[in-house]
Amino acid sequence: DVKVTQSSRYLVKRTGEKVFLECVQDMDHENMFWYRQDPGLGLRLIYFSYDVKMKEKGDIPEGYSVSREKKERFSLILESASTNQTSMYLCASSPFPIPLLKRQLISYEQYFGPGTRLTVT
Amino acid sequence: DQQVKQNSPSLSVQEGRISILNCDYTNSMFDYFLWYKKYPAEGPTFLISISSIKDKNEDGRFTVFLNKSAKHLSLHIVPSQPGDSAVYFCAASDRGGGNKLTFGTGTQLKVEL
Repeated sequence: DVKVTQSSRYLVKRTGEKVFLECVQDMDHENMFWYRQDPGLGLRLIYFSYDVKMKEKGDIPEGYSVSREKKERFSLILESASTNQTSMYLCASSPFPIPLLKRQLISYEQYFGPGTRLTVT
Repeated sequence: DQQVKQNSPSLSVQEGRISILNCDYTNSMFDYFLWYKKYPAEGPTFLISISSIKDKNEDGRFTVFLNKSAKHLSLHIVPSQPGDSAVYFCAASDRGGGNKLTFGTGTQLKVEL
């Protein structure tokens, strides 16, 4: 059974603070993702990683950075928290993509953690 | 630019009736589609998926239909149950995007007694 855990369920920080959100998965997945969920906007991808020490920007990377020093752990960093970063943050993981020819035969399911509700005051 | 759209932010259905949730997409490179269900204060959980080589996939009370020419998919839940009340997100993956998913904005389903 896949398990994705996030370090905090609720977090309250002040404007300007540096914030670390941690995510750990136990299924040896290569891919890990960070999203934020806001009302009316759905899930938006912040950053993702296909391998250790590798990262790629998603759709809304501004104001965020990430770190992946170990395969099972993917950290999201808010360098200087602002009130517009108040949101639900969701981490997900998935196994590595398969060769194109077999693509239709497997699922591209991502497995999500429970989320961290971050409030920046 | 929203590549995956769920135009109905909310839907209310009576218990036992059919729930139909709709999703439209604009990127013709999308070839795999998923539906996720999300309860408040929990992460999304996978519900059902469909590859672009199919036009229908069924799993118990849940059926997903894909109309590639219209770039439209729908999720049917029948019969609807109160426990189905949640936010439903559709998501899509494209050939060159590896395992990256693009999500819609979500539809809040309420199943009433």
